Amino acid sequence: NAGVTQTPKFRVLKTGQSMTLLCAQDMNHEYMYWYRQDPGMGLRLIHYSVGEGTTAKGEVPDGYNVSRLKKQNFLLGLESAAPSQTSVYFCASSSGTGGPDTQYFGPGTRLTVL
Amino acid sequence: EDQVTQSPEALRLQEGESSSLNCSYTVSGLRGLFWYRQDPGKGPEFLFTLYSAGEEKEKERLKATLTKKESFLHITAPKPEDSATYLCAVRTSNTGKLIFGQGTTLQVKP
Repeated sequence: NAGVTQTPKFRVLKTGQSMTLLCAQDMNHEYMYWYRQDPGMGLRLIHYSVGEGTTAKGEVPDGYNVSRLKKQNFLLGLESAAPSQTSVYFCASSSGTGGPDTQYFGPGTRLTVL
Repeated sequence: EDQVTQSPEALRLQEGESSSLNCSYTVSGLRGLFWYRQDPGKGPEFLFTLYSAGEEKEKERLKATLTKKESFLHITAPKPEDSATYLCAVRTSNTGKLIFGQGTTLQVKP
């Protein structure tokens, strides 16, 4: 039981390049989330999904797109990377069964945009 | 506007020196308060969920408590391995999404 995994762990991009971050979970969770973490800013929600085929905007969605074609996977795309997107990206999942619904996090992807 | 504030930003303790971390929140409706531990270069690791004022939960040297306006994470006789950043987050009734505080970085020296 791997929990939440993220690919890749590290990536360096040049301004204007595109890339996709992959998140996978093996807990059969309905809800999945993408956060970014920046020094002094805390964790901020980018996009989230409440089920296969659904996506919704979070607090800081601009410059990112997401897709949830399969229940266990949640993809985060950067179409044209900018230096402001240099950050550590975390994926999380939760069961979505109601109550406080604890989120479980992946190990993160460190992205640098030059 | 929903808000979560953690204090202090950083805390240095000697091994065995007990202390508390604070998480104060202003939200329209609380559906749970969460504490996470984050080690450098790792993702947040879940510690506790608190549902309602007066609730307490314990795990080893950690004890989390909740009032209507704040939560405390008490660390009793800490060890160097307790060094980490501790994150507080709230789930609100409006959106169901988590709002995180900025974290408290704890360093425990032997």
